[in-house]
Amino acid sequence: SQTIHQWPATLVQPVGSPLSLECTVEGTSNPNLYWYRQAAGRGLQLLFYSVGIGQISSEVPQNLSASRPQDRQFILSSKKLLLSDSGFYLCAWSVGDQDSSFGSGTRLTVV
Amino acid sequence: AQKITQTQPGMFVQEKEAVTLDCTYDTSDPSYGLFWYKQPSSGEMIFLIYQGSYDQQNATEGRYSLNFQKARKSANLVISASQLGDSAMYFCAMREGVGGFKTIFGAGTRLFVKA
Repeated sequence: SQTIHQWPATLVQPVGSPLSLECTVEGTSNPNLYWYRQAAGRGLQLLFYSVGIGQISSEVPQNLSASRPQDRQFILSSKKLLLSDSGFYLCAWSVGDQDSSFGSGTRLTVV
Repeated sequence: AQKITQTQPGMFVQEKEAVTLDCTYDTSDPSYGLFWYKQPSSGEMIFLIYQGSYDQQNATEGRYSLNFQKARKSANLVISASQLGDSAMYFCAMREGVGGFKTIFGAGTRLFVKA
Protein backbone atom coordinates (compact mmCIF):
# COMPACT_ATOMS: atom_id res chain seq x y z
CA SER A 1 0.00 0.00 0.00
CA GLN A 2 1.03 3.57 -0.53
CA THR A 3 2.51 5.67 2.25
CA ILE A 4 3.62 9.26 2.34
CA HIS A 5 6.22 10.65 4.68
CA GLN A 6 6.55 14.32 5.46
CA TRP A 7 8.98 15.94 7.86
CA PRO A 8 9.61 17.70 10.11
CA ALA A 9 6.29 17.85 11.97
CA THR A 10 7.00 21.25 13.47
CA LEU A 11 9.54 23.90 12.65
CA VAL A 12 10.35 27.31 14.09
CA GLN A 13 12.57 29.42 11.89
CA PRO A 14 13.73 33.05 12.07
CA VAL A 15 12.83 35.55 9.40
CA GLY A 16 15.35 35.50 6.59
CA SER A 17 16.48 31.92 7.18
CA PRO A 18 16.22 29.22 4.49
CA LEU A 19 13.62 26.46 4.42
CA SER A 20 13.57 22.90 3.17
CA LEU A 21 10.60 20.61 3.71
CA GLU A 22 10.76 17.12 2.30
CA CYS A 23 8.09 14.68 1.27
CA THR A 24 8.53 11.13 0.00
CA VAL A 25 6.02 8.60 -1.25
CA GLU A 26 6.32 4.84 -1.16
CA GLY A 27 4.35 2.09 -2.82
CA THR A 28 3.45 3.84 -6.06
CA SER A 29 5.15 4.97 -9.24
CA ASN A 30 4.90 8.27 -11.10
CA PRO A 31 2.50 9.91 -8.67
CA ASN A 32 1.27 13.45 -9.00
CA LEU A 33 2.68 15.38 -6.05
CA TYR A 34 1.36 18.49 -4.37
CA TRP A 35 2.27 21.09 -1.77
CA TYR A 36 -0.56 22.86 0.02
CA ARG A 37 -0.51 25.56 2.66
CA GLN A 38 -3.15 26.20 5.26
CA ALA A 39 -3.12 29.46 7.18
CA ALA A 40 -4.60 29.37 10.69
CA GLY A 41 -8.36 28.84 10.50
CA ARG A 42 -8.37 28.87 6.72
CA GLY A 43 -8.79 26.41 3.88
CA LEU A 44 -6.11 24.70 1.83
CA GLN A 45 -4.26 26.65 -0.82
CA LEU A 46 -2.50 24.74 -3.58
CA LEU A 47 1.07 26.03 -3.89
CA PHE A 48 2.78 23.65 -6.31
CA TYR A 49 2.06 20.46 -8.14
CA SER A 50 4.23 18.10 -10.14
CA VAL A 51 3.31 15.46 -12.69
CA GLY A 52 6.83 14.13 -13.13
CA ILE A 53 10.51 14.46 -12.27
CA GLY A 54 11.66 18.02 -12.76
CA GLN A 55 8.18 19.19 -13.71
CA ILE A 56 6.87 21.84 -11.33
CA SER A 57 3.81 24.04 -11.72
CA SER A 58 3.32 27.00 -9.43
CA GLU A 59 -0.16 28.11 -8.51
CA VAL A 60 0.61 31.18 -6.47
CA PRO A 61 3.55 33.56 -6.92
CA GLN A 62 5.40 33.75 -3.67
CA ASN A 63 8.57 33.40 -1.71
CA LEU A 64 8.64 29.62 -2.06
CA SER A 65 9.87 27.15 -4.66
CA ALA A 66 9.50 23.43 -5.19
CA SER A 67 11.63 20.73 -6.74
CA ARG A 68 11.20 17.08 -7.64
CA PRO A 69 14.62 15.51 -7.93
CA GLN A 70 13.29 11.94 -7.88
CA ASP A 71 10.01 10.32 -8.87
CA ARG A 72 8.77 10.01 -5.33
CA GLN A 73 10.42 12.97 -3.67
CA PHE A 74 9.02 16.48 -3.49
CA ILE A 75 10.81 19.35 -1.75
CA LEU A 76 9.49 22.75 -0.73
CA SER A 77 12.12 25.45 -0.28
CA SER A 78 12.71 29.07 0.44
CA LYS A 79 15.91 31.08 0.39
CA LYS A 80 14.66 33.67 2.88
CA LEU A 81 11.57 33.09 4.98
CA LEU A 82 9.02 35.82 5.62
CA LEU A 83 6.63 36.11 8.56
CA SER A 84 3.78 35.50 6.12
CA ASP A 85 5.22 32.07 5.28
CA SER A 86 4.00 30.75 8.62
CA GLY A 87 1.35 28.09 8.28
CA PHE A 88 0.59 24.42 8.04
CA TYR A 89 2.14 22.78 4.99
CA LEU A 90 0.74 19.57 3.60
CA CYS A 91 2.25 17.32 0.98
CA ALA A 92 -0.04 15.01 -0.99
CA TRP A 93 0.08 12.48 -3.80
CA SER A 94 -2.44 11.19 -6.30
CA VAL A 95 -2.60 8.52 -8.97
CA GLY A 96 -5.55 8.34 -11.34
CA ASP A 97 -8.90 9.82 -10.45
CA GLN A 98 -9.30 8.77 -6.89
CA ASP A 99 -6.23 7.32 -5.23
CA SER A 100 -4.61 9.99 -3.10
CA SER A 101 -3.64 10.85 0.42
CA PHE A 102 -1.96 13.56 2.44
CA GLY A 103 1.14 13.64 4.55
CA SER A 104 0.88 14.43 8.24
CA GLY A 105 1.84 18.06 7.71
CA THR A 106 4.50 20.49 8.90
CA ARG A 107 3.57 23.35 11.17
CA LEU A 108 5.95 26.19 10.29
CA THR A 109 6.29 29.23 12.51
CA VAL A 110 8.45 32.06 11.28
CA VAL A 111 9.59 34.33 14.10
CA ALA B 1 -11.98 27.91 -13.77
CA GLN B 2 -12.54 25.60 -10.88
CA LYS B 3 -14.37 26.85 -7.84
CA ILE B 4 -15.54 25.16 -4.67
CA THR B 5 -17.88 26.93 -2.26
CA GLN B 6 -18.64 25.94 1.29
CA THR B 7 -20.99 28.54 2.73
CA GLN B 8 -21.19 27.22 6.29
CA PRO B 9 -18.21 28.35 8.36
CA GLY B 10 -19.56 26.43 11.35
CA MET B 11 -22.26 23.88 12.11
CA PHE B 12 -23.62 22.52 15.38
CA VAL B 13 -25.28 19.14 15.68
CA GLN B 14 -26.56 17.10 18.58
CA GLU B 15 -24.86 13.77 19.15
CA LYS B 16 -26.64 10.89 17.36
CA GLU B 17 -28.39 13.23 14.94
CA ALA B 18 -27.64 13.58 11.23
CA VAL B 19 -26.01 16.67 9.75
CA THR B 20 -25.55 17.94 6.19
CA LEU B 21 -22.54 19.97 5.17
CA ASP B 22 -23.04 21.96 2.00
CA CYS B 23 -20.73 22.14 -0.99
CA THR B 24 -21.29 23.63 -4.41
CA TYR B 25 -18.84 23.59 -7.26
CA ASP B 26 -18.32 25.15 -10.63
CA THR B 27 -16.55 23.57 -13.57
CA SER B 28 -16.87 23.43 -17.33
CA ASP B 29 -15.19 20.03 -17.54
CA PRO B 30 -17.72 17.18 -17.87
CA SER B 31 -15.33 14.82 -16.12
CA TYR B 32 -14.42 15.55 -12.52
CA GLY B 33 -14.18 14.02 -9.09
CA LEU B 34 -15.51 15.34 -5.82
CA PHE B 35 -13.96 14.59 -2.44
CA TRP B 36 -14.66 15.20 1.20
CA TYR B 37 -11.92 15.31 3.80
CA LYS B 38 -11.98 15.57 7.58
CA GLN B 39 -9.32 17.53 9.42
CA PRO B 40 -9.26 17.05 13.20
CA SER B 41 -7.31 19.36 15.46
CA SER B 42 -4.18 17.29 14.88
CA GLY B 43 -4.06 18.70 11.36
CA GLU B 44 -4.02 15.50 9.36
CA MET B 45 -6.29 15.32 6.34
CA ILE B 46 -8.46 12.23 6.38
CA PHE B 47 -10.17 11.12 3.18
CA LEU B 48 -13.87 10.39 3.73
CA ILE B 49 -15.67 9.87 0.44
CA TYR B 50 -15.38 10.24 -3.32
CA GLN B 51 -17.93 10.86 -6.07
CA GLY B 52 -17.11 10.71 -9.75
CA SER B 53 -19.04 12.95 -12.12
CA TYR B 54 -20.26 9.96 -14.11
CA ASP B 55 -21.25 7.88 -11.13
CA GLN B 56 -24.94 7.10 -11.28
CA GLN B 57 -25.42 6.49 -7.59
CA ASN B 58 -24.56 8.63 -4.61
CA ALA B 59 -21.41 7.51 -2.84
CA THR B 60 -21.67 6.05 0.64
CA GLU B 61 -18.98 5.08 3.13
CA GLY B 62 -20.29 3.90 6.46
CA ARG B 63 -21.93 6.86 8.20
CA TYR B 64 -20.93 9.20 5.37
CA SER B 65 -22.94 9.71 2.23
CA LEU B 66 -22.60 12.22 -0.53
CA ASN B 67 -25.78 13.84 -1.83
CA PHE B 68 -24.71 14.47 -5.42
CA GLN B 69 -27.00 16.73 -7.43
CA LYS B 70 -25.22 17.19 -10.72
CA ALA B 71 -27.64 19.65 -12.28
CA ARG B 72 -27.36 21.89 -9.24
CA LYS B 73 -23.61 21.32 -9.02
CA SER B 74 -23.83 20.41 -5.39
CA ALA B 75 -22.10 17.65 -3.45
CA ASN B 76 -23.31 17.82 0.13
CA LEU B 77 -21.88 15.53 2.77
CA VAL B 78 -24.34 13.82 5.08
CA ILE B 79 -23.08 12.39 8.34
CA SER B 80 -25.58 10.13 10.04
CA ALA B 81 -25.66 9.39 13.76
CA SER B 82 -23.10 12.07 14.67
CA GLN B 83 -20.47 11.18 17.23
CA LEU B 84 -18.38 13.44 19.44
CA GLY B 85 -15.33 12.37 17.44
CA ASP B 86 -16.86 13.87 14.33
CA SER B 87 -16.06 17.36 15.62
CA ALA B 88 -13.53 18.67 13.11
CA MET B 89 -13.05 20.77 10.00
CA TYR B 90 -14.54 19.32 6.84
CA PHE B 91 -13.32 20.21 3.38
CA CYS B 92 -14.97 19.66 0.04
CA ALA B 93 -12.62 19.35 -2.92
CA MET B 94 -12.75 18.84 -6.68
CA ARG B 95 -10.37 17.45 -9.25
CA GLU B 96 -11.06 18.11 -12.93
CA GLY B 97 -10.54 15.79 -15.85
CA VAL B 98 -9.77 12.12 -16.26
CA GLY B 99 -6.61 11.54 -14.26
CA GLY B 100 -6.66 15.23 -13.41
CA PHE B 101 -3.97 16.38 -11.07
CA LYS B 102 -5.14 19.67 -9.60
CA THR B 103 -7.32 19.37 -6.55
CA ILE B 104 -9.02 22.55 -5.41
CA PHE B 105 -10.43 22.87 -1.89
CA GLY B 106 -13.27 24.81 -0.38
CA ALA B 107 -12.77 27.02 2.66
CA GLY B 108 -14.07 24.35 4.99
CA THR B 109 -16.85 23.94 7.54
CA ARG B 110 -16.17 23.53 11.25
CA LEU B 111 -18.50 20.92 12.74
CA PHE B 112 -19.26 20.92 16.45
CA VAL B 113 -20.97 17.83 17.87
CA LYS B 114 -22.73 18.47 21.17
CA ALA B 115 -23.21 15.81 23.83
